[in-house]
Amino acid sequence: AQSVTQLDSHVSVSEGTPVLLRCNYSSSYSPSLFWYVQHPNKGLQLLLKYTSAATLVKGINGFEAEFKKSETSFHLTKPSAHMSDAAEYFCVVSDPGNYGGSQGNLIFGKGTKLSVKP
Amino acid sequence: DSGVTQTPKHLITATGQRVTLRCSPRSGDLSVYWYQQSLDQGLQFLIQYYNGEERAKGNILERFSAQQFPDLHSELNLSSLELGDSALYFCASSVQGGSNQPQHFGDGTRLSIL
Repeated sequence: AQSVTQLDSHVSVSEGTPVLLRCNYSSSYSPSLFWYVQHPNKGLQLLLKYTSAATLVKGINGFEAEFKKSETSFHLTKPSAHMSDAAEYFCVVSDPGNYGGSQGNLIFGKGTKLSVKP
Repeated sequence: DSGVTQTPKHLITATGQRVTLRCSPRSGDLSVYWYQQSLDQGLQFLIQYYNGEERAKGNILERFSAQQFPDLHSELNLSSLELGDSALYFCASSVQGGSNQPQHFGDGTRLSIL
């Protein structure tokens, strides 16, 4: 069975400092992994996805994530935080199900709330 | 703007009632997913449709049902509502519904049960 664990429920950084949001996954298959962001009272926006191509994945707004199979990790990073990055971030694994990968429902971590101090 | 449209944005109703949530997927997307977000359970998958057919079921209660119509829009029906059904309900869509395809989310319908 697929699952993800987000290691921190809340991360606080100062504007201009690096961001690290940690995620470990468990999967019986070669996983498809995603990071989504949710701003208050908004839907979920895709930041980036990993689907077994390059292990270092670049996303929108300067975010990137590195897939490390040996550590079963998929941590999200950004070199310099902006105030607009304050939001909740979800690490997500996709369940391929019983249709040869054509199912694809998402399994979400519990989320990490990122606060950015001026 | 994700291109996924959900209506209504807010719904307030009473216990025992029935409501219908509507979702229009992005143009060209054949697969629709429904998710529930609550404080205690987090984000949970409910059900997936692909081109009008049910493809996968998650933690969806028997009181809940869904369908996808020939024009690909989808409806989630919630009946005999209980206080615990209060949550944010999201619809997402993807092109073919495969596990390596990103899903695009609507802004959600916030359901409040009084």
